[in-house]
Amino acid sequence: SAVISQKPSRDICQRGTSLTIQCQVDSQVTMMFWYRQQPGQSLTLIATANQGSEATYESGFVIDKFPISRPNLTFSTLTVSNMSPEDSSIYLCSVEVGGSGANVLTFGAGSRLTVL
Amino acid sequence: GQNIDQPTEMTATEGAIVQINCTYQTSGFNGLFWYQQHAGEAPTFLSYNVLDGLEEKGRFSSFLSRSKGYSYLLLKELQMKDSASYLCAVRDSNYQLIWGAGTKLIIKP
Repeated sequence: SAVISQKPSRDICQRGTSLTIQCQVDSQVTMMFWYRQQPGQSLTLIATANQGSEATYESGFVIDKFPISRPNLTFSTLTVSNMSPEDSSIYLCSVEVGGSGANVLTFGAGSRLTVL
Repeated sequence: GQNIDQPTEMTATEGAIVQINCTYQTSGFNGLFWYQQHAGEAPTFLSYNVLDGLEEKGRFSSFLSRSKGYSYLLLKELQMKDSASYLCAVRDSNYQLIWGAGTKLIIKP
């Protein structure tokens, strides 16, 4: 299984500012996934980050708001730009690990953002 | 549209058994996952079902009926540390994961 280090673990941000979340994996992976989890809601996939190409964004998420970098096979960043209180959420980085006949998602500990 | 339904919250007693249900309507099916998420922590993988039937893993079992679009997670000999949210997720025909909102399980002594 992969070990994922994600930071910051939490932050309080001012409206209109931007914050970058970092995700480091202890092994090389092809795809890294960024999720958002709002209070009491399900996990929502923001985008899939592939090394060497632009991230693939899900419906409702755009690159200008959530720019992603993937400089190598073990690292990715997600920036939440021009934040508003609606962006207050937990942001999770994840990777797929094969096992038991399935590709299982392993998650980082998450970054809890509060926007004032 | 694609949809996964789980109860929002359940309460059970320490030492007892609880069954958390999950029904799904997705575009195709390529496996169903259960994850456990303690408050303030990341989800962790519990079980995977792709064929009909029961998968047992210690105190936890997961059942799948593809024809009914139904799964359940069975937790036996409940312990206080089992208090957590349990997330059901289905991989659709495009290999996208569709997530349920999770069931918050409260264990009482």
